[in-house]
Formats: sequence, structure tokens, C-alpha cells
Amino acid sequence: DTGVSQDPRHKITKRGQNVTFRCDPISEHNRLYWYRQTLGQGPEFLTYFQNEAQLEKSRLLSDRFSAERPKGSFSTLEIQRTEQGDSAMYLCASSLVTSGNTIYFGEGSWLTVV
Amino acid sequence: KNEVEQSPQNLTAQEGEFITINCSYSVGISALHWLQQHPGGGIVSLFMLSSGKKKHGRLIATINIQEKHSSLHITASHPRDSAVYICAVRDGNQFYFGTGTSLTVIP
Repeated sequence: DTGVSQDPRHKITKRGQNVTFRCDPISEHNRLYWYRQTLGQGPEFLTYFQNEAQLEKSRLLSDRFSAERPKGSFSTLEIQRTEQGDSAMYLCASSLVTSGNTIYFGEGSWLTVV
Repeated sequence: KNEVEQSPQNLTAQEGEFITINCSYSVGISALHWLQQHPGGGIVSLFMLSSGKKKHGRLIATINIQEKHSSLHITASHPRDSAVYICAVRDGNQFYFGTGTSLTVIP
């Protein structure tokens, strides 16, 4: 297993376009988290899934943001009608509840909205 | 006030120095994580603590649950230790992150 992988690693998009990020967690990990990180700040929680169920969403996750984990494995985070303020790194992490919740992060997906 | 506060925000040290990064938190705790983030974004989990002390190589992490405080120590620091170190506290299903401590170790 190569760990948590995210795709694409970098995305530059024009304001108003839609973007989608994909996260493949570590196999068998039942929890999957999405975070957003801007320069000089720690990660901010967006949402998390246990298996395919989205159990919690942050107030940061506006109507333009949607996340899915249809089969309880990979997840997608879609941002519609992107705004310049959406420019950030989007981090995915996964954990296995029975392992004491050690969390493993992906490399992140950098989004630049121009 | 953030749920997790780290100090210092920035730290520059000479190679070989002993380094301490502090973390204080105000939320309930199931476990505390120390994370290392390199330029480019990749985050690596260094430690997960719920009590006491853990050591891994030159890194030592301690936690005092009563005082809601944790420290990360680096002995004999090296330029390759240069990174951002983030304290994260898990309260139930939620993780709360500090803003990170940017460490630069000068040869």
C-alpha cells in the first residue's frame, strides 16, 4: 500500500469553473477526512466520512462544495463556480477506527483560482 | 482563541541545538498527534499520544493531560529537520489543528 493518494496534485483554474479532486485512502481505512489549508495556517476541517456515510460537515463547506464517497473507498471533493478565495491546498486523510485513529495524510491538492 | 495553540510560530536554530515546540489545547482529548509538514505540503504523522512520553530517534513527545499541554523535542537538530510541525488534538471524531511551528535549522 502506498498510502493516501490525491489527484491532481496541482490545479489552476479560472474563476467560475468547477474542479474535482480525488482521494484514494489507505485500503481498509473506514474514515476519510477532507481538510483545507491556506498559507501559514494549520489544516481546517471540511468534512469526514465513515465508510460511505458523510457524518459531519464544517460550516466552511458552502453550497458550492460537495464531497462524496460512493462505495466507501475513494472520495471526491467538487468545488463549483470556483472563487479566488477557494485557492488553497486540499488535504485528504484516512484512518482506521480500530487502530486508535492514527491518521495518515495525502500529499494534498493545490488549487489556484485565477 | 484557537482550540489548539502552538508556540513558537517560527523557530530558527543552529545545527545540533536542542529544540522544543509547545502545544496547549482547550478541547477534550482522545489523543494528540504531532505532524511534520514539508514544503510542498506532504504531512507525516510523527507521534500519537494519549499519555506520558514517546521517543523515536531524536524526537521525543510528551503530554500532560491535566495541564492540557504537550511538547515536541528534537535533540541534536539537523537541517533536514527543517519543516513545519503541527500539533493536532483529536476530540472524539473531530481533529483540531494548531497553526504550526515553522522550524529552520541552519548548518
